[in-house]
Amino acid sequence: AQSVTQLGSHVSVSEGALVLLRCNYSSSVPPYLFWYVQYPNQGLQLLLKYTTGATLVKGINGFEAEFKKSETSFHLTKPSAHMSDAAEYFCAVSDRYNQGGKLIFGQGTELSVKP
Amino acid sequence: KAGVTQTPRYLIKTRGQQVTLSCSPISGHRSVSWYQQTPGQGLQFLFEYFSETQRNKGNFPGRFSGRQFSNSRSEMNVSTLELGDSALYLCASSAGVLGTDTQYFGPGTRLTVL
Repeated sequence: AQSVTQLGSHVSVSEGALVLLRCNYSSSVPPYLFWYVQYPNQGLQLLLKYTTGATLVKGINGFEAEFKKSETSFHLTKPSAHMSDAAEYFCAVSDRYNQGGKLIFGQGTELSVKP
Repeated sequence: KAGVTQTPRYLIKTRGQQVTLSCSPISGHRSVSWYQQTPGQGLQFLFEYFSETQRNKGNFPGRFSGRQFSNSRSEMNVSTLELGDSALYLCASSAGVLGTDTQYFGPGTRLTVL
């Protein structure tokens, strides 16, 4: 069964510092990979996704992620944190062989940004 | 284009009651998925409907059920509510044709069971 592990339930960075949120998946076949962000009292918003092709994926708000098959990882980065980046971030996977919308989520990482 | 809408946004029920939540997908989307979000268990997949048929199902008891109408609107029902059913219930819609289709989430329905 597929699973997703996000290392660190809370990450704190200073404004302007590098943001690195870690995600590892467990699957015999590389799945589709997603990063979502959730602001308080809101639903989830897609930041970026990896399906096929180039392993470095650029998303919205300056975020990017790199798919590394050998490390079964899909870490999310942003060169310079902004106060507005404070939110909860979720890594998710879906089965390549399933047409359907079944996402398996990690436990989430809450990002705090200090002024 | 209007986003995914969920009604109601907040609900308070007591144990043993049943509840129905509604989700209106983005126009043209045929797939609706439901997720439960709790502090302890995180985000868990409940089920997915595509063209009025349940296409995927998560690992939840039979008290949780859903359906989809011909206009793609979806409802989920929870019968015999338990305290542990208190959660944020999110629905997401997508075109549903490819596994890579982006899922767009609604704001959720916050259910509190007393």
